[in-house]
Amino acid sequence: DIVMTQSPDSLAVSLGERATINCKSSQSVLYSSNNKNYLAWYQQKPRQPPKLLIYWASTRESGVPDRFSGSGSGTDFTLTISSLQAEDVAVYYCQQYYNTPITFGQGTRLHIK
Amino acid sequence: QVQLVQSGAEVKKPGASVKVSCKASGYSFSSFDINWVRQATGQGLEWMGWMNPNRGNTFYAQKFQGRVTMTRNTSISTAYMELSSLRSEDTAVYYCARGSVTTVTTYWGQGSLVTVSS
Repeated sequence: DIVMTQSPDSLAVSLGERATINCKSSQSVLYSSNNKNYLAWYQQKPRQPPKLLIYWASTRESGVPDRFSGSGSGTDFTLTISSLQAEDVAVYYCQQYYNTPITFGQGTRLHIK
Repeated sequence: QVQLVQSGAEVKKPGASVKVSCKASGYSFSSFDINWVRQATGQGLEWMGWMNPNRGNTFYAQKFQGRVTMTRNTSISTAYMELSSLRSEDTAVYYCARGSVTTVTTYWGQGSLVTVSS
């Protein structure tokens, strides 16, 4: 199984400041035949299902604000929120869908400093 | 728009089974896989398996093999996840999620709380 490890577990950032969450996979999730990283990021607010933010490691889902961006390749990935807004308070998960079982990181709780 | 509407909360005794439904609308039900993911209170996300609604074939996470069954009724665009031999550790919110060409869990149901308690 591919193990996904996020850091940090918890993060406090001031409004308007940058937030950075890291995700590391235990093996590469880059599929060589199409050069795509099978890595997604989700946002989950209390009592709601997860919401897809980023897929293919760096492609923003339709309707997601452009302050959210994803980067990285192979085994190391980053989700960046360029200017934190109050509504961004949530838990963020990375997910690999390179192979089964699909696995998620343990989550990073983001709150306002 | 794509919608996945799940069945309501359930309370079950240890050793019993639960069957959660997931009714799809807004797209062709047979065209995209349905995945099931669960989340214990205050915990992370755990993938349980997927089902292809067109052919009915399934793939289960090893942890749940022998206890989980994923089925569908294409005439009513509904997927089901049945978990047997329930124990307290199975208390969680169970989500269905539809895949797409970009990810395996693009659209999510609202979740169904299953509580296992004697």
